[in-house]
Amino acid sequence: GDSVTQMEGPVTLSEEAFLTINCTYTATGYPSLFWYVQYPGEGLQLLLKATKADDKGSNKGFEATYRKETTSFHLEKGSVQVSDSAVYFCALSENRDDKIIFGKGTRLHILP
Amino acid sequence: DGGITQSPKYLFRKEGQNVTLSCEQNLNHDAMYWYRQDPGQGLRLIYYSQIVNDFQKGDIAEGYSVSREKKESFPLTVTSAQKNPTAFYLCASSTWTSGSYEQYFGPGTRLTVT
Repeated sequence: GDSVTQMEGPVTLSEEAFLTINCTYTATGYPSLFWYVQYPGEGLQLLLKATKADDKGSNKGFEATYRKETTSFHLEKGSVQVSDSAVYFCALSENRDDKIIFGKGTRLHILP
Repeated sequence: DGGITQSPKYLFRKEGQNVTLSCEQNLNHDAMYWYRQDPGQGLRLIYYSQIVNDFQKGDIAEGYSVSREKKESFPLTVTSAQKNPTAFYLCASSTWTSGSYEQYFGPGTRLTVT
């Protein structure tokens, strides 16, 4: 079945460091791919998405490129801030229905 | 403002009691979902509903029940049969936007059962 695997956390970085959170997926069709973010004590928010191969999603300085050849959708940011501390979830949707499959989440700590 | 509301934010119950978690949306979305979140386990789907008066079990439905009498509302009841009910519960709705389905989440309810 479809699945999403993302790097285990926690990931701890200093402010202004470069961030990469790895995500790979398994799907039978051509899924849409997402990154969601969850700040402490809150629900999830959609951060960015890509709906087809080679698309790049971007928002708030974060980027991820849909790589079909490597079945990956790694999240990157050039210079992280303390306010980026949160849990990040990679997810996919086959678009056959409206269910979304989530990875287990990666907790990110940014030190000032 | 359109969105999803969940109430209350924190809920405390004694073991053996049923408890109902509220979820309301004014986004006019057809589909709604309930997830359970435990530390280190990501999100697990409890129940979902794609239309009024219809719902399906997710991956961990045992010990839970739902109803969908109105499009806007999808309450979740945690019954005394749920062996380990203490968790963070998230409600979501979804719609087709810009080439894919997207899910929108409420702020969550943290349930503690002692």
